[in-house]
Amino acid sequence: GAGVSQSPSNKVTEKGKDVELRCDPISGHTALYWYRQSLGQGLEFLIYFQGNSAPDKSGLPSDRFSAERTGGSVSTLTIQRTQQEDSAVYLCASSLGGAESDTQYFGPGTRLTVL
Amino acid sequence: DQQVKQNSPSLSVQEGRISILNCDYTNSMFDYFLWYKKYPAEGPTFLISISSIKDKNEDGRFTVFLNKSAKHLSLHIVPSQPGDSAVYFCAANGGSQGNLIFGKGTKLSVKP
Repeated sequence: GAGVSQSPSNKVTEKGKDVELRCDPISGHTALYWYRQSLGQGLEFLIYFQGNSAPDKSGLPSDRFSAERTGGSVSTLTIQRTQQEDSAVYLCASSLGGAESDTQYFGPGTRLTVL
Repeated sequence: DQQVKQNSPSLSVQEGRISILNCDYTNSMFDYFLWYKKYPAEGPTFLISISSIKDKNEDGRFTVFLNKSAKHLSLHIVPSQPGDSAVYFCAANGGSQGNLIFGKGTKLSVKP
């Protein structure tokens, strides 16, 4: 079946603009995660959704970041008033449930460049 | 402070030889570890995992070893192939909501 998909694959924006990044998880997966990878760094956890429950936002770096998950499926990560330090690859992952042994499958990522 | 550390940013190995990638962690509460492989412009791909109740897990050419007392794990690839050239990330499933905590990665180059 189809894997995790993300759009757009690349996004270039000007400092101060808002951006929306989209993630389509694997069908039937209840858990969805957003991570980001800055240059030379490992993946940094941002936010987690489990089914229709309220998300765990503990990893969001500032209140300019927010995310939604509609109908327990598609998720959108929104960054308001983008800054240059927001430039990174934003990765989405989904898993069957939230158990630690449930493999997280990653999408190809969205490369965000803030000029 | 980094909870998962991969101290070697790069490793170069000859085709057919063994590749050994190392990873250290600081939190003794971590109980599930994973290795992911990443090619450029693609998302990470799950490779192999190990639970803390084991000290070894093998899958084909890939073996992960866990030394809990040393808080150290390693990934062995035998024999190494040019197609194994990628960035390898070590991760611990130790976040409060099941999120993965990643190291910075090791770039493996397998020379023909």
